[in-house]
Amino acid sequence: NAGVIQTPRHKVTGKGQEATLWCEPISGHSAVFWYRQTIVQGLEFLTYFRNQAPIDDSGMPKERFSAQMPNQSHSTLKIQSTQPQDSAVYLCASSRGTGGARAEQFFGPGTRLTVL
Amino acid sequence: QQQVRQSPQSLTVWEGETTILNCSYEDSTFDYFPWYRQFPGKSPALLIAISLVSNKKEDGRFTIFFNKREKKLSLHITDSQPGDSATYFCAASLSSGSWQLIFGSGTQLTVMP
Repeated sequence: NAGVIQTPRHKVTGKGQEATLWCEPISGHSAVFWYRQTIVQGLEFLTYFRNQAPIDDSGMPKERFSAQMPNQSHSTLKIQSTQPQDSAVYLCASSRGTGGARAEQFFGPGTRLTVL
Repeated sequence: QQQVRQSPQSLTVWEGETTILNCSYEDSTFDYFPWYRQFPGKSPALLIAISLVSNKKEDGRFTIFFNKREKKLSLHITDSQPGDSATYFCAASLSSGSWQLIFGSGTQLTVMP
């Protein structure tokens, strides 16, 4: 079991460019979560999918952020027109469907996004 | 508005001491409280969790004490070891609602040998 896989591990973009982050959940896990971690804001929830369907995107900045899960083996987080304040470590996590909100979330290694 | 608060922000203890990390929450509808541990350069991983029906949860050297009336939790680490040095996050979720975890700001623990 390789755990949650995230690519790339590091990404540097210029202000105004687009960034796409990839996540491959643990096989058999039906829920996929995206979080953002910064020193100032800590760990913030962005969005999550259950059985590929978007369930809660209440943490997503509405205008430039979007997330998709086209199949059960990967999810993407896209940030358009990146801004310096988007610089953060973006963490993907997955969990089994059984247990609901109480199921352990397994975090990937994260993608460190730096916007110059 | 922080829904989950942690204190202290950082803490240094000596090897062998008992560490106490504090957490409080605002929303009385939260009913599940996992603690995640994050080592430097690594991702958070579940350490121990407690639900609203329990007052105490123990796992080896780690114990959660839960005061529901005051909406406060504490994580006790007995016989603290240098390998326990990490950032500890208290989180909260609502079993019947969104599966998102709401994290506190974390406590950075350093255990000196």
